[in-house]
Formats: sequence, structure tokens, C-alpha cells
Amino acid sequence: GAGVSQSPRYKVAKRGQDVALRCDPISGHVSLFWYQQALGQGPEFLTYFQNEAQLDKSGLPSDRFFAERPEGSVSTLKIQRTQQEDSAVYLCASSRRTSGTDTQYFGPGTRLTVL
Amino acid sequence: KNQVEQSPQSLIILEGKNCTLQCNYTVSPFSNLRWYKQDTGRGPVSLTIMTFSENTKSNGRYTATLDADTKQSSLHITASQLSDSASYICVVSLPSGNTPLVFGKGTRLSVIA
Repeated sequence: GAGVSQSPRYKVAKRGQDVALRCDPISGHVSLFWYQQALGQGPEFLTYFQNEAQLDKSGLPSDRFFAERPEGSVSTLKIQRTQQEDSAVYLCASSRRTSGTDTQYFGPGTRLTVL
Repeated sequence: KNQVEQSPQSLIILEGKNCTLQCNYTVSPFSNLRWYKQDTGRGPVSLTIMTFSENTKSNGRYTATLDADTKQSSLHITASQLSDSASYICVVSLPSGNTPLVFGKGTRLSVIA
């Protein structure tokens, strides 16, 4: 595709529900990142994939958060038993290679609201 | 803790005027420093990227500077346009490569007619 796409764009969940957020990176991009952006804050790193391998998940706030990229393309971020503090925009980004100077291209984000 | 601090938090300027946004960081060492523009409701878009050995990088009306000695960067916007209204985020990359990136909270710029 032309850019990184994410779905759904908006998600409202009741506290305790499980949610799954999808990211379609730019075709052929090796690296994929998930970020969490609270209102009025900058994005904060959650996890990083190189192809299908999850190389860094140090930013995941709890074991309720789980991410996968089984075939090295589409990725899913799953949040179990959602809490109100999980409300945020979840951004996905991809980059062509693994170089430190590679530009990360961001999707539009999924805005999650937990009631 | 690695931190990226930006100032001002928000800024309002008249169309056509210039402005400069500041970024101070404590991340050290680092691989590169980037400036992103984030429109409301959208993901960030890369404006500039500089390695620690570069002092300046331009992208149209946007010029970023980097002083690695003082750990400061600035983003200068020339002849502002209404479409420049957005959040501008300073991002520092750790030496390990793409991951992780350390983001500032951003400066919210509003350009008014």
C-alpha cells in the first residue's frame, strides 16, 4: 500500500474487555514498531519487530499487552482486560531496513477509549 | 533516565512570521535526532534527521540545527503558513539503532491569519 494503515481508527471498549488493534505496514518494510500516545504527550515505545521476530518488548506496560507479527507483515497489538489507563492513541510505524537512520513511517493510529 | 525536553509547550504566531522551536536532550550517546510533524488525528511525519556529526539539515521551509556539545536542537520554520499548524516532536534514537526512539512531548504550533 501507499502507507501504513491501522484499523480500527477508533475503538471504544468497556473496562475488562479484550481488544485487538491491527497494523498493515508498508509492503516490504522489515521493521515494525508500536507506540502508545497519551493525550498531550509524545509517543512512547511499546515494542519492535524485525520481520516476524519480536526483538524488543521492553515498553509493554504490563502482561496484558501482547503483540505479534507471525508472517513478518501485518501486526496485531492485543490488550487483555482493558483498564481506563489504557485509553490512548496506539501508533504503528514501519521502516524499510534496520538501520538507525532509517525513517519510520507512521500510521494514523487507533484511538482507544476504555469506559 | 533518557529524556527529551521541548519548549515552548505551545506557540501562536501570525501567518508569514518565522519561529524557532527548541529541544534539549539528555540521551547520550545517541545515534540520530529527528524532528517530526504531527497533524491532529494523524501519525507523525518525518521532517529532518541528523546524525550526531551533523550541525544542520533543511527541508524546504524547515531548518533543523544540532549542537551535540550542549545537547540542544532547534527547528526553525520560515514564512509560516496556516498548514504549519501542528505538533512538532523532537525524537532521539539510541545507538542500538531503530529501537528504541525517545520522544519529546512536542510543541503545539498554531499559525493564525
